[in-house]
Amino acid sequence: ETGVTQTPRHLVMGMTNKKSLKCEQHLGHNAMYWYKQSAKKPLELMFVYSLEERVENNSVPSRFSPECPNSSHLFLHLHTLQPEDSALYLCASSQDTGQGQETQYFGPGTRLLVL
Amino acid sequence: GNSVTQMEGPVTLSEEAFLTINCTYTATGYPSLFWYVQYPGEGLQLLLKATKADDKGSNKGFEATYRKETTSFHLEKGSVQVSDSAVYFCALKAAGNKLTFGGGTRVLVKP
Repeated sequence: ETGVTQTPRHLVMGMTNKKSLKCEQHLGHNAMYWYKQSAKKPLELMFVYSLEERVENNSVPSRFSPECPNSSHLFLHLHTLQPEDSALYLCASSQDTGQGQETQYFGPGTRLLVL
Repeated sequence: GNSVTQMEGPVTLSEEAFLTINCTYTATGYPSLFWYVQYPGEGLQLLLKATKADDKGSNKGFEATYRKETTSFHLEKGSVQVSDSAVYFCALKAAGNKLTFGGGTRVLVKP
């Protein structure tokens, strides 16, 4: 596997379910990100992890819970979601050097549908 | 705060036509600028980038020049193909980790 992978690619869940999205990067990067892409809305940054510590949380509801066990893996745990949470969830990674020029590389996304 | 404004799509054009997608930005400091492309059913792929004023990013026949005086980073391609049909996102990255995206421009190239 190369680049950034995400599983599952598609997920349908009920509002009472608990599920997790997984992201894995094979690029040796030290920063990982979760984004939400909804129809007709700009990409929204949800969480940023740098060196396995959460450095940004953009007012995301607590029903979304991220976890970064090591620099290669990032999870997004989902529970009691709402239908408006249906979206494409994108993971990205970068090599954070503190210079502000690092390129973020994206995975293919998980298409989530909440019924 | 930082922001990116792109022309709204969809942009529909014929194969071999010239493509321009306008992008302007507002940012403090000296951001890096990016164009990402999203093909149907896929995630975002980096298309090109520029890290300082007057830099030109290029890839796959696409070009964009970092214009600080007009705070713009317009994307151009001289002769598009059907396979260029996608959504194009302009983005900026200032100090820190945050990448600020424009709303995306859908491009449809017809044979």
